[in-house]
Amino acid sequence: EEQLVESGGGLIQPGGSLRLSCAASGLTVSNNYMTWVRQAPGKGLEWVSVVYVGGNTYYADSVKGRFTISRDNSENTLYLQMNSLRAEDTAVYYCARVDYSRSSGAFDIWGQGTRVTVSS
Amino acid sequence: ETVMTQSPATLSASPGERVTLSCRASQGVNTNLAWYQQKPGQAPRLLIYYASTRATGVPARFSGSGSGTEFTLTISSLQSEDSAVYYCQQYNYWPLFTFGPGTKVDIK
Repeated sequence: EEQLVESGGGLIQPGGSLRLSCAASGLTVSNNYMTWVRQAPGKGLEWVSVVYVGGNTYYADSVKGRFTISRDNSENTLYLQMNSLRAEDTAVYYCARVDYSRSSGAFDIWGQGTRVTVSS
Repeated sequence: ETVMTQSPATLSASPGERVTLSCRASQGVNTNLAWYQQKPGQAPRLLIYYASTRATGVPARFSGSGSGTEFTLTISSLQSEDSAVYYCQQYNYWPLFTFGPGTKVDIK
């Protein structure tokens, strides 16, 4: 069974840093397009970042220059390094697989999410 | 950026009713449109991709249609377990994926 499990969330002060992890099983992170999506409390879904199979990375304007997406092929894990955190980054962060082969881009597998709260 | 809008914001219907949710894109996205269902405290679940193809395990009462800028998600006979928020998403303009604001479906 293909599964994604996020971890690393928590309470962090404004200006701080946090690294989120997304451990994959049943699928190989390096062979897939992988993405992060976040959801602020009571709000909708916001795409955050994607890493292509070839390694190219892209970011939403709201996090560009502060967040970095990466992967560890040996650990089969996706990461999101978040620096210079702001109150508006408070959200549940989901990792997801971008299904290129079947749908050309829908997000077909999601983790359960990890909560990040930025507050003093 | 492609802006996605959804209507209505909330709808309430009785079990067995047919409901239709709308999604509009600010520019054409061909059929590169997905629908997701999200229940409280859960991750989103892919329902529909390519505007009208049901994902694995999705009940046949869910159907999607549309192309270009106008899309609909129809639930042919609403069930109690369909109470959720439904989001549309365009994936035509990689890597700038965008979601709509969602439609909340309540069961009367």
